[in-house]
Amino acid sequence: DGGITQSPKYLFRKEGQNVTLSCEQNLNHDAMYWYRQDPGQGLRLIYYSQIVNDFQKGDIAEGYSVSREKKESFPLTVTSAQKNPTAFYLCASSIFDQGGYEQYFGPGTRLTVT
Amino acid sequence: GQQVMQIPQYQHVQEGEDFTTYCNSSTTLSNIQWYKQRPGGHPVFLIQLVKSGEVKKQKRLTFQFGEAKKNSSLHITATQTTDVGTYFCAGLGYTGGFKTIFGAGTRLFVKA
Repeated sequence: DGGITQSPKYLFRKEGQNVTLSCEQNLNHDAMYWYRQDPGQGLRLIYYSQIVNDFQKGDIAEGYSVSREKKESFPLTVTSAQKNPTAFYLCASSIFDQGGYEQYFGPGTRLTVT
Repeated sequence: GQQVMQIPQYQHVQEGEDFTTYCNSSTTLSNIQWYKQRPGGHPVFLIQLVKSGEVKKQKRLTFQFGEAKKNSSLHITATQTTDVGTYFCAGLGYTGGFKTIFGAGTRLFVKA
């Protein structure tokens, strides 16, 4: 059964702590993405990766970091430098970034920082 | 930089009424995609349009891509309560590299 998994579904952290969100895909997709969604808002791109060991900043990368050591995994770390980290985080993947292929989204992680 | 604007932000309709959301890009797009996100869920791909003036239909949904490839629309005929959710357009444009930009979405509320 192919798809994208994100864990955990809900995550609670204290302010000042770093937290890592997991994203795994078994679709053999080259490109992976992280988006942030705030209530009633659209999707804002945090980071994306087209191939292993390479990633690019999106529109709101400050306070976040990523790694792409394996094709199937693209974890996102929300650092203490992110001023307003509470949000819904969505991971996605696609066959090839520049080809404009459809993106497959994971179920998301709701992060609450207090 | 490339921007994709989507209107309206919200739309309340009575079940059975039609609904349309519009997407406009500041630059010419290579393609445009549409996604639906149910409340509490994640975006799910609906369709992709590539050709100038292209029109595609999926049951009660009609998707159009403008002649200039800078705008698109999604029209739902005779809405049902199952249509509730947020509809996003996503345009693929080139600004120093190919990049997909999502619109802010239109949230559809359907009253039975």
